[in-house]
Order: sequence, then C-alpha cells, then structure tokens
Amino acid sequence: QKEVEQNSGPLSVPEGAIASLNCTYSDRVSQSFFWYRQYSGKSPELIMSIYSNGDKEDGRFTAQLNKASQYVSLLIRDSQPSDSATYLCAVNRGYGGSQGNLIFGKGTKLSVKP
Amino acid sequence: DGGITQSPKYLFRKEGQNVTLSCEQNLNHDAMYWYRQDPGQGLRLIYYSQIVNDFQKGDIAEGYSVSREKKESFPLTVTSAQKNPTAFYLCASKTGQGAYEQYFGPGTRLTVT
Repeated sequence: QKEVEQNSGPLSVPEGAIASLNCTYSDRVSQSFFWYRQYSGKSPELIMSIYSNGDKEDGRFTAQLNKASQYVSLLIRDSQPSDSATYLCAVNRGYGGSQGNLIFGKGTKLSVKP
Repeated sequence: DGGITQSPKYLFRKEGQNVTLSCEQNLNHDAMYWYRQDPGQGLRLIYYSQIVNDFQKGDIAEGYSVSREKKESFPLTVTSAQKNPTAFYLCASKTGQGAYEQYFGPGTRLTVT
C-alpha cells in the first residue's frame, strides 16, 4: 500500500515565524508533489506543486523536494493567523493507468498565534 | 467564472435511502474524481473517470456508484449498501494526460441518520 505520511500536529507557531511542514512518501516512482490548504469546513485548495529536486518559491511559500530521501516539505515565512489551516500533502501514484491519481496524507493542522 | 460546483452543500437522509450528489465543472477538464473525507482519515478515493463514458473504482468504491455521460458532469450515488455514509464528499477534476494538479469543488456534507 503506497502511503503519504504527515505529522498530524497541531503545529503551533507565533505570528511572523516560519512554519515548517513535512511529508514523506513511500512510492519511489512518484514524480509530482502537491501541497493543499484546507480551512475548517472547506474544501482543499492547491497552493504549491513541485516536480524537481530542490526548492520552489511562491510568495511566502517554499516547497522543498528530496526524491532520494522521499521527502517533501512546505515552509511558510512570516506566518499569519490567516495561515491557520490543515495542510495536505499529495503525491501522484507512479504506475499504470492510475498514474494521474493522487495519494493524500492525513494533513498537518497549523495554528498561528497572534 | 470557471470552476467546479457541487450541490447541495448539506444533505440529510434517512438510513436505507439512496442519495445522489451532483458535481459539475466548466473547466473543460477530462478527468474527474470523487473523494470521501472523514475526521482524521484524510481523503480517500471513491471513483474516478478519465474520459466520458468510462470510470474506474478507487480505493473505497463499495456502496457507491457513478456515471459519466457528459464531460462536465460526474454524479455520485451513495447507496443503502454503504455502511457508513455520513462524511464530507469532495469532487475534483484535472486536465488530461501529463497534468496531475487536481482542483476541488466546495464539497457536500452528507448526514445519514
């Protein structure tokens, strides 16, 4: 069973700090990695995608990928109370006709304290 | 505005009744997906469809059925055979081959008593 693992949290950080969210995956052939933000009671919203080893920055968000270690992370700089949400890591299934399907982690709940 | 719509937002049903959840998209996406989300469980794939008139079972298809007669529409029926139907149901879509980003509709919260 291919899996995506995340620490469920809650992760609590003060306003203005850097929040670091981590994710590991088991399928070595996965090629596409995503971070979704989900506010309580709402649907997931795609905030970052990353396909190559290294860092990808978009505003206050940085995604980091290390395929050798099967590890992907999301850094949120200058955290704001509005960043308080559950962050879902998703990885594509790397084989066969279901290659376009995503496997989701259970999410990490982030709380940013004013 | 392009997007994915799901209706209704909240749905209440009695045990033993079948219920159909609507999902419509005007993004011209080829693939559509149904997920179920329970507290602490993450998203679990129920069914998916990569083209019109074709669909495949996901990880938890028992007690559910779907159809894909039009590219824009992918309704999900929760049958009376589904043992624990109360959940948050999410529909998603993506473009065709080579793209993996999925975009979600607002969800339907189903409560069965």
